[in-house]
Amino acid sequence: GQQLNQSPQSMFIQEGEDVSMNCTSSSIFNTWLWYKQDPGEGPVLLIALYKAGELTSNGRLTAQFGITRKDSFLNISASIPSDVGIYFCAGGEQGAQKLVFGQGTRLTINP
Amino acid sequence: DARVTQTPRHKVTEMGQEVTMRCQPILGHNTVFWYRQTMMQGLELLAYFRNRAPLDDSGMPKDRFSAEMPDATLATLKIQPSEPRDSAVYFCASGLDAYSMQYFGPGTRLTVL
Repeated sequence: GQQLNQSPQSMFIQEGEDVSMNCTSSSIFNTWLWYKQDPGEGPVLLIALYKAGELTSNGRLTAQFGITRKDSFLNISASIPSDVGIYFCAGGEQGAQKLVFGQGTRLTINP
Repeated sequence: DARVTQTPRHKVTEMGQEVTMRCQPILGHNTVFWYRQTMMQGLELLAYFRNRAPLDDSGMPKDRFSAEMPDATLATLKIQPSEPRDSAVYFCASGLDAYSMQYFGPGTRLTVL
């Protein structure tokens, strides 16, 4: 089945640093979504992208829908302690009628 | 503040017992999903419904798992009999279609001893 390759699997950064993560697929997607999951909670939707090349921001978060429609990127600027968690990408294909999730990027911030 | 709710939040049971998890989707959402999350497998789609009709349950072990939507405000996932390998966090999510924004509940953490 379809798979998303999300990288990196984990990141250890200092507070204040910028963060970049990405997802790539062998398939074309119509939708890219980014979620964040805190410990003991469900994933929370951060950003939704619907068009190739689209660049969308949500506060310090910026995500882009790759022009090939096979990848997406998430950047976090000036990281703060509450950014700690697991970030998931998800791709949606209209024909497949479901989302495919990446394996997640675990973000740890050193004080 | 519309949210997906799930009960119970935690469940510990013994192997062989029946487990029922419940979900209330966001009002107005017509698509409901059940996912299972484990460290090894990540997020797996078990089943989903549109307008209360099951559309895809190919991710679900059919011999012991069943999913239903008795009405638009309630979705259930049952495991009978439960096994230790079913231990995981089970999430319900709802949305307006299957390949776009999905909103997750807080999950049910199931431990089968």
